[in-house]
Amino acid sequence: SYVLTQPPSVSVAPGLTARITCGGNGIEYKSVHWYQQKPGQAPVMVVYDDRDRPSGIPERFSGSNSGNTATLTINRVEVGDEADYFCQVWDSTTDHRVFGGGTKLTVL
Amino acid sequence: EVHLVQSGAEVKKPGESLKISCKGSEYSFASYWIAWVRQTPGKGLEWMGIIFPGDSETKYSPSFRGQVTISADKSINTAYLQWTSLKASDSAIYFCARHRHTQQDALDLWGQGTKVTVSS
Repeated sequence: SYVLTQPPSVSVAPGLTARITCGGNGIEYKSVHWYQQKPGQAPVMVVYDDRDRPSGIPERFSGSNSGNTATLTINRVEVGDEADYFCQVWDSTTDHRVFGGGTKLTVL
Repeated sequence: EVHLVQSGAEVKKPGESLKISCKGSEYSFASYWIAWVRQTPGKGLEWMGIIFPGDSETKYSPSFRGQVTISADKSINTAYLQWTSLKASDSAIYFCARHRHTQQDALDLWGQGTKVTVSS
């Protein structure tokens, strides 16, 4: 089955840039979606189809996808961005929806 | 406002049955695939399966096939997740979520989650 690998944690100071990676074999050929989950809340979609942003999500959130790594970039990080972030793809080979293990973003 | 509202938290004993629900509002519920996602502290988010309420076509993750049943009643805009015999390992938070357009698409709308606790 297809596996998505995320770093367990990323730390960044307020105002700087956070980059959260999502590794997968040939992931560049898949559409990657990103979700933000704050403690005690449901996930919220922040990026879909590699780089598109739903309405209401700040422009500070962006996505990219190349080779074997997709990346969620958060510019000018704020304390309110502290959350768990999950990547997700659809694996056409198995018709499964796959989530990465999640990355806890800590804003120092 | 478009939303999915799930049923409340449940506390059950091993071997008991359970059916939790997910009700959609302010959109054409029958026209969008609904996914069920399990969240446990140790395993993050796990895709369980999906259903198209319009015709109840259903797909399951191999990890959950035979362990749960996903169903829907489009007349009342509600999807369900049910167990016939719960195990302690079923303790988790369960989310329903809507696929944006196609079943391969992102999950753009999530329910608030239903916490299930299975303990003797």
